[in-house]
Amino acid sequence: RKEVEQDPGPFNVPEGATVAFNCTYSNSASQSFFWYRQDCRKEPKLLMSVYSSGNEDGRFTAQLNRASQYISLLIRDSKLSDSATYLCVVNSGYSTLTFGKGTMLLVSP
Amino acid sequence: DAEITQSPRHKITETGRQVTLACHQTWNHNNMFWYRQDLGHGLRLIHYSYGVQDTNKGEVSDGYSVSRSNTEDLPLTLESAASSQTSVYFCASSESLDWEQFFGPGTRLTVL
Repeated sequence: RKEVEQDPGPFNVPEGATVAFNCTYSNSASQSFFWYRQDCRKEPKLLMSVYSSGNEDGRFTAQLNRASQYISLLIRDSKLSDSATYLCVVNSGYSTLTFGKGTMLLVSP
Repeated sequence: DAEITQSPRHKITETGRQVTLACHQTWNHNNMFWYRQDLGHGLRLIHYSYGVQDTNKGEVSDGYSVSRSNTEDLPLTLESAASSQTSVYFCASSESLDWEQFFGPGTRLTVL
């Protein structure tokens, strides 16, 4: 089983839609979880951290299920500017971060 | 403002040549990382450093080396460039080992 797995997509959604991304991780000792956003040909940037109780930042909601080793990202009211690749990132337990391959989102008018 | 920079942004070289990619950060972070990103593989860790004089191998370290002589810089050297090392290289730094990493703009390397 790969360390961090994501559906590669692409997810094609219209503006205003709600879209959810899922991610599973294999290392049960992982302690820190993040979603990064990467625009085409640009560097990854932190979108949000994922806390055990779940957390929300505007239109974005992240949730963690430790029992199932599962992380999710929900985007409400999608904007054209949300088009990007979303990377699920997990602390591997060896003091380095492990990145998923990313899920591509395309929001159309 | 603090930042992390990489140079060059684009590089074309020939097989067998030695190439060094520069990474410079002004965050004063102890932790620095080098990744490569290829289609179908995502970001893969090459080398990382927890501080001056410390270096560690990552998942794909063969053919690469780093040195850390000061806090600000972690140059990545390809000893003898190979076509398989054609990729986009990102440098990153972080204050804490398991916390947010800040990425440089990347270097696109082509080995012919």
